[in-house]
Amino acid sequence: GESVGLHLPTLSVQEGDNSIINCAYSNSASDYFIWYKQESGKGPQFIIDIRSNMDKRQGQRVTVLLNKTVKHLSLQIAATQPGDSAVYFCAESRNYGQNFVFGPGTRLSVLP
Amino acid sequence: ETGVTQTPRHLVMGMTNKKSLKCEQHLGHNAMYWYKQSAKKPLELMFVYSLEERVENNSVPSRFSPECPNSSHLFLHLHTLQPEDSALYLCASSQPRGGRRGELFFGEGSRLTVL
Repeated sequence: GESVGLHLPTLSVQEGDNSIINCAYSNSASDYFIWYKQESGKGPQFIIDIRSNMDKRQGQRVTVLLNKTVKHLSLQIAATQPGDSAVYFCAESRNYGQNFVFGPGTRLSVLP
Repeated sequence: ETGVTQTPRHLVMGMTNKKSLKCEQHLGHNAMYWYKQSAKKPLELMFVYSLEERVENNSVPSRFSPECPNSSHLFLHLHTLQPEDSALYLCASSQPRGGRRGELFFGEGSRLTVL
């Protein structure tokens, strides 16, 4: 999945540092959220999900935080690696995946 | 290697051509989707098929015609497209459970250029 031409917000981090990617969602009725990673030339890949009855969920090197009060979702990547360079999308849905609405994406660039 | 395979990966066509995009999923899922990813826009849902029946058409122009012959295969037939239809077309599948569509698994996409 190529993102060439997309004028996305870009986050540049030093290798080894932690990354925080933010997403504001629109629908207060959304109850299920997913973060996807899209590397150049590939389709989006599932990273981690969270339901609205939780405010934090951890995976391997990744943590998703959900703040329903301000409709904000974040993805934290610990010890960022060059392989983490990609575009990251958040997706929100109601009815636990009935219809996903995707955010515009953030490009993460890992500096050596 | 994903469980969702799309062909061709790249396609260039003129506005009067007829072409098709193909998607095959090897995950045993019952729902398949077409999404459009274009510059400066978020992923846009085009069509949803559940158990080979089209359950959603997201106001897509008729020059895009989907076909789902079985739960493993999905096509997008293209006819008299416009240059603004140039985009990455992503196929996805999911396994619905309890009325929920579930997590989407995407293919690598077909990059379409309309001249």
